[in-house]
Amino acid sequence: EPEVTQTPSHQVTQMGQEVILRCVPISNHLYFYWYRQILGQKVEFLVSFYNNEISEKSEIFDDQFSVERPDGSNFTLKIRSTKLEDSAMYFCASSGAGDNSPLHFGNGTRLTVT
Amino acid sequence: AQSVTQLGSHVSVSEGALVLLRCNYSSSVPPYLFWYVQYPNQGLQLLLKYTSAATLVKGINGFEAEFKKSETSFHLTKPSAHMSDAAEYFCAVSAPQGAQKLVFGQGTRLTINP
Repeated sequence: EPEVTQTPSHQVTQMGQEVILRCVPISNHLYFYWYRQILGQKVEFLVSFYNNEISEKSEIFDDQFSVERPDGSNFTLKIRSTKLEDSAMYFCASSGAGDNSPLHFGNGTRLTVT
Repeated sequence: AQSVTQLGSHVSVSEGALVLLRCNYSSSVPPYLFWYVQYPNQGLQLLLKYTSAATLVKGINGFEAEFKKSETSFHLTKPSAHMSDAAEYFCAVSAPQGAQKLVFGQGTRLTINP
């Protein structure tokens, strides 16, 4: 069964550094998402992406965050200048067309900001 | 706006016993409801979903959930627990339009005792 893959599985970075989290969605999917889970807290929606543009974003997704689909297969989340509170598990997800199409999640990237 | 409350951050049952994980939702529009499971070091996997069809929804691995509008609940059950069911379970809600923007509960960690 096709999978969403995320790399790396664990990223450690220093405060103020830029990080790029990478995702390869399922190939025929059209919608792409990032969610995050701070340790001990709920999984939270960050952003959705369709047709090469952001379709919706949460209040968490401020100017420090950006997403990009640089080619036909990758979907990236960039954090421009990381803060301690950005430490979390970041999940990429993708889905097909239609509101009934379920989200398929990757295994996540654990980001640790020191 | 939607929200989800999962009653019990930890649930422990014996192997072979009934599994009951509770989820109550709040939604200003008829909701779509989901249960996801997360095994250690893995992503979120869809167990089942309710999208305004049958109120009793059957999912993978013998799980099912019943949508009860009068109780605003969507509890997850399994008649007989297996050791392999040990995982974290997340209830989520969305509006039918924008169904991929999920609002998650805080999760329930299920432990199975031999």
